[in-house]
Amino acid sequence: GENVEQHPSTLSVQEGDSAVIKCTYSDSASNYFPWYKQELGKRPQLIIDIRSNVGEKKDQRIAVTLNKTAKHFSLHITETQPEDSAVYFCAPNYGGSQGNLIFGKGTKLSVKP
Amino acid sequence: NAGVTQTPKFQVLKTGQSMTLQCAQDMNHEYMSWYRQDPGMGLRLIHYSVGAGITDQGEVPNGYNVSRSTTEDFPLRLLSAAPSQTSVYFCASEPGQGFGEQFFGPGTRLTVL
Repeated sequence: GENVEQHPSTLSVQEGDSAVIKCTYSDSASNYFPWYKQELGKRPQLIIDIRSNVGEKKDQRIAVTLNKTAKHFSLHITETQPEDSAVYFCAPNYGGSQGNLIFGKGTKLSVKP
Repeated sequence: NAGVTQTPKFQVLKTGQSMTLQCAQDMNHEYMSWYRQDPGMGLRLIHYSVGAGITDQGEVPNGYNVSRSTTEDFPLRLLSAAPSQTSVYFCASEPGQGFGEQFFGPGTRLTVL
């Protein structure tokens, strides 16, 4: 099965700085790499995802990079704002089994004004 | 579209009681799933379904039952509640076979005394 680790578990940055969260996985068959954002008391929501045939994807201030050889992918947030404060989860998805959806334990990002 | 809805939002049970958490989606998604979220543990898959009449176990199925008689509804039953089942429960759906973006409901906060 998939073993998923996220680092760091907590991250504190100043407004305007960049933040990077890394997700490592063990199953080389994983082919879908999403990042979810969960604000306090709310449901998780997808913010960006990437498929295995793409190395990088950007959407305004957020980006995801994938290194399939090393089996990790990262979330990059530039020009952070207080509303970026949330818990972020990765969930690399092994396409061979619908039950093998493993979420990382989450990274709590705090952006200080 | 209402998306994914869950009822109730909050519930307090006594040890040994049973109850059903309701989940419904109006997006005609084939894949539905239940997660529990505990502090520091991320989201853990309890049960999932790839279509009406088909269910399977996820990572932490013990103490829970599911059924899928229609595409829209996917109730989660707690057979005999235990304090270890105190958690926040999220239902999710996905338009394909479980390999893409998960759409989450608002969650049910369950406390078992």
